[in-house]
Amino acid sequence: DADVTQTPRNRITKTGKRIMLECSQTKGHDRMYWYRQDPGLGLRLIYYSFDVKDINKGEISDGYSVSRQAQAKFSLSLESAIPNQTALYFCATSDTPDRDSNEQFFGPGTRLTVL
Amino acid sequence: DQQVKQNSPSLSVQEGRISILNCDYTNSMFDYFLWYKKYPAEGPTFLISISSIKDKNEDGRFTVFLNKSAKHLSLHIVPSQPGDSAVYFCAASGRTGANNLFFGTGTRLTVIP
Repeated sequence: DADVTQTPRNRITKTGKRIMLECSQTKGHDRMYWYRQDPGLGLRLIYYSFDVKDINKGEISDGYSVSRQAQAKFSLSLESAIPNQTALYFCATSDTPDRDSNEQFFGPGTRLTVL
Repeated sequence: DQQVKQNSPSLSVQEGRISILNCDYTNSMFDYFLWYKKYPAEGPTFLISISSIKDKNEDGRFTVFLNKSAKHLSLHIVPSQPGDSAVYFCAASGRTGANNLFFGTGTRLTVIP
């Protein structure tokens, strides 16, 4: 079984609809992240959480919100989807970094299309 | 403003030859650098990393070189294999321990059999 899972894997929705993307992990990591990938722009950080009571904005948080329901679950919401939020969304997890390790583990991604 | 840059969107290499993927960064506070590999329809997977106290790290066919004065790192794959065909992302993080990663735009490597 995959350590980091995302649902749904694909979603097509209309402008103005509310969308929730879900992420679950079995790695036991405290830290979780949401990224989006756009062609030619690499991955950009939307929100991150270092534990259940901690939520932080990333580089491009406008138009998004998150909820950390448990250590293993981190969901991303688009309250009112717009076409320029069409992208590939990745969830990631990590352990507390140390000098020799700062690795993040990624889910398989959710392809979201907003019409 | 892109703090991590991969200026080559694509690279083609013959099987058995060396692949060299390059990455430049602008933030001198970056302390740790990683390479991720991504296949279609999958998430990025960690490949190799290097901290700023080193200038080289090797793992099998993969070697990462770091030139801090030039703010440049490179990934060498020797010998290249068709299974190495993927998009490679360079990423960097700072000294704060927050381990937020800043990603480059990726280089698509094609290894020709």
